[in-house]
Amino acid sequence: GNSVTQMEGPVTLSEEAFLTINCTYTATGYPSLFWYVQYPGEGLQLLLKATKADDKGSNKGFEATYRKETTSFHLEKGSVQVSDSAVYFCALSANQAGTALIFGKGTTLSVSS
Amino acid sequence: SAVISQKPSRDICQRGTSLTIQCQVDSQVTMMFWYRQQPGQSLTLIATANQGSEATYESGFVIDKFPISRPNLTFSTLTVSNMSPEDSSIYLCSVALQGGQGLPEQFFGPGTRLTVL
Repeated sequence: GNSVTQMEGPVTLSEEAFLTINCTYTATGYPSLFWYVQYPGEGLQLLLKATKADDKGSNKGFEATYRKETTSFHLEKGSVQVSDSAVYFCALSANQAGTALIFGKGTTLSVSS
Repeated sequence: SAVISQKPSRDICQRGTSLTIQCQVDSQVTMMFWYRQQPGQSLTLIATANQGSEATYESGFVIDKFPISRPNLTFSTLTVSNMSPEDSSIYLCSVALQGGQGLPEQFFGPGTRLTVL
């Protein structure tokens, strides 16, 4: 079945450091891939997405490229800020009507000044 | 996109009681989903609720424990019945809308934080 594997956290960085959160997936067909973010005390928000191989999703300085050959969708940011401290979830959708998202376990990012 | 509200935002309940969570969407949607996020864990799908049909439950979740109503295209409820401390979680409502390139996108409500004593 379909599944998502994320790197274990927590990830602790200093402000302006480079961030990578690894995400790999297992899926049949051609899923869409997503990164969601959950800030402390808030709901889940879509951060970025990619719907086909080699697509790059980007938002708020974050980027992730859909790599079909390595079945990966790693999240990167060149210079993190304290306000980026949150839990990040990688997810996939099978792109069929009626299918829900499958989430990774989430990675907690803590950025200190 | 969709704006989704949930009530209550949080509650503290005694074991053995039941709580009904409401989900309201600002547009008509066919597909709605209910997820659970246990402390420190990822999101797990409880059930899919489409208007006009019975909810479809995922493995490990049953209708007697989590009855769902879907009376119209903008509203749904999830009841957590006969609660135990293990039911302490955040419960999230989600809707699927047609996004770019004809592919579905999901939007989430703010969640209901439930604590069972």
